[in-house]
Amino acid sequence: KQEVTQIPAALSVPEGENLVLNCSFTDSAIYNLQWFRQDPGKGLTSLLLIQSSQREQTSGRLNASLDKSSGRSTLYIAASQPGDSATYLCAVKDGGSQGNLIFGKGTKLSVKP
Amino acid sequence: EPEVTQTPSHQVTQMGQEVILRCVPISNHLYFYWYRQILGQKVEFLVSFYNNEISEKSEIFDDQFSVERPDGSNFTLKIRSTKLEDSAMYFCASRDRDRAFGYTFGSGTRLTVV
Repeated sequence: KQEVTQIPAALSVPEGENLVLNCSFTDSAIYNLQWFRQDPGKGLTSLLLIQSSQREQTSGRLNASLDKSSGRSTLYIAASQPGDSATYLCAVKDGGSQGNLIFGKGTKLSVKP
Repeated sequence: EPEVTQTPSHQVTQMGQEVILRCVPISNHLYFYWYRQILGQKVEFLVSFYNNEISEKSEIFDDQFSVERPDGSNFTLKIRSTKLEDSAMYFCASRDRDRAFGYTFGSGTRLTVV
C-alpha cells in the first residue's frame, strides 16, 4: 500500500531564505506527483505536476524534482516571502489505480518578515 | 482560469440528518472525485466518478455515502445519516481525460456535525 511522508512537518524561516520541502513515497510505481498549497481553512491549489518520466518542473520561484527510483520528491522555494506561508502537500498518483491521489500530511511553512 | 466550485462553504448539521454537498466541476473535465480532510489529518480519497458511474471508492465510502451527477454540470455527495466523525473538509476535484493532467480541486465544504 502506497504511503506518502513529508518532512519536516513544520518549518519556520526568515524572509528571503531558500528552502527545501521533502516528500517520500514507498512504491515507486507512480504515474505522476503533484504539489499543492493549502491556506488555513481553504482548498488545494495546484503548484506543480511532475510526470513519472520527468525529473523536474519549474514555475516561478518554485522548482520540484522527482527521483522515482528512490521514492523522493523535493519542492524548492527560492527567496521565500511571507505570502508563501501555507501548508504544502505532496500527492502521488499510483500507476495502478484509476486516478486516486495519495497525500502526505504536509509541511506547514511559516515565513517571518 | 477554470475553477471547481463547491457550495456551501460551511454547513452545520445535526447528527442523523442528511446532507448534500454540491460541486460544479470544470466543464470539459470527465473525471470527478470527492476527497475529505479531517482536521489535522491527511487528505483522503473517497470516490471517483466517470461516465455516470462510480469507478473507484475507498473503504470510507460506505452505504451512508452516495454520489450523483444529476444534470450534466453538478456533482453531488450525499451523506444519508451524518455522524460526528463525518465532520471534515470535503473537497471536490476534477480532471481531464488525459491522465497526464493534474487535478483541479475546489475550495472545499467544511461540514460540522453536532
